[in-house]
Amino acid sequence: SQKIEQNSEALNIQEGKTATLTCNYTNYSPAYLQWYRQDPGRGPVFLLLIRENEKEKRKERLKVTFDTTLKQSLFHITASQPADSATYLCALDADSWGKLQFGAGTQVVVTP
Amino acid sequence: GAVVSQHPSRVICKSGTSVKIECRSLDFQATTMFWYRQFPKKSLMLMATSNEGSKATYEQGVEKDKFLINHASLTLSTLTVTSAHPEDSSFYICSATGTSGRVHEQFFGPGTRLTVL
Repeated sequence: SQKIEQNSEALNIQEGKTATLTCNYTNYSPAYLQWYRQDPGRGPVFLLLIRENEKEKRKERLKVTFDTTLKQSLFHITASQPADSATYLCALDADSWGKLQFGAGTQVVVTP
Repeated sequence: GAVVSQHPSRVICKSGTSVKIECRSLDFQATTMFWYRQFPKKSLMLMATSNEGSKATYEQGVEKDKFLINHASLTLSTLTVTSAHPEDSSFYICSATGTSGRVHEQFFGPGTRLTVL
């Protein structure tokens, strides 16, 4: 069966350090993978998209890698700040019409 | 740009009543809108995909007579939860894709918290 797995345990990290989140998937062949941020009681906010032929993508303090052999994406937040505290979701394209399947998300807590 | 709104943000209703949730794309035309529900600390579960002017496509296990979706225009989709029961209590979120230039990027609404008593 198809699965998208993210660490269910919250990631507690000190301000200034790098947070690294993992997204593993099975029985998918995604053309692209996306990362979203979700704050409590709010809808997700798009952060980054990485295509299957891209190894790495960066946006400001965010970096995403995509390894289609390992079926894994890593999401890094460098120089983390308390304002980065949120739940981060990975999502894969489930069809060619834009339908997405989401992982359950990993909560990140950045302490000063 | 690319803002999606939802109304209402919260609704509390009695069991057996119907509730309508609106999803609007404010500054772009949404050719496709998606409806999700989310339980606490759980993933977003896709309920249905709606394209403007056509019937919604429902995911397996989602009752189409229970969750009525109308995508009447390129900026508005509605989800009606008919004869709501306490188990329908959840966080409902819509998203939209369209002519914003980023084909695969979904823009999410802020969500609607439905509580059925």
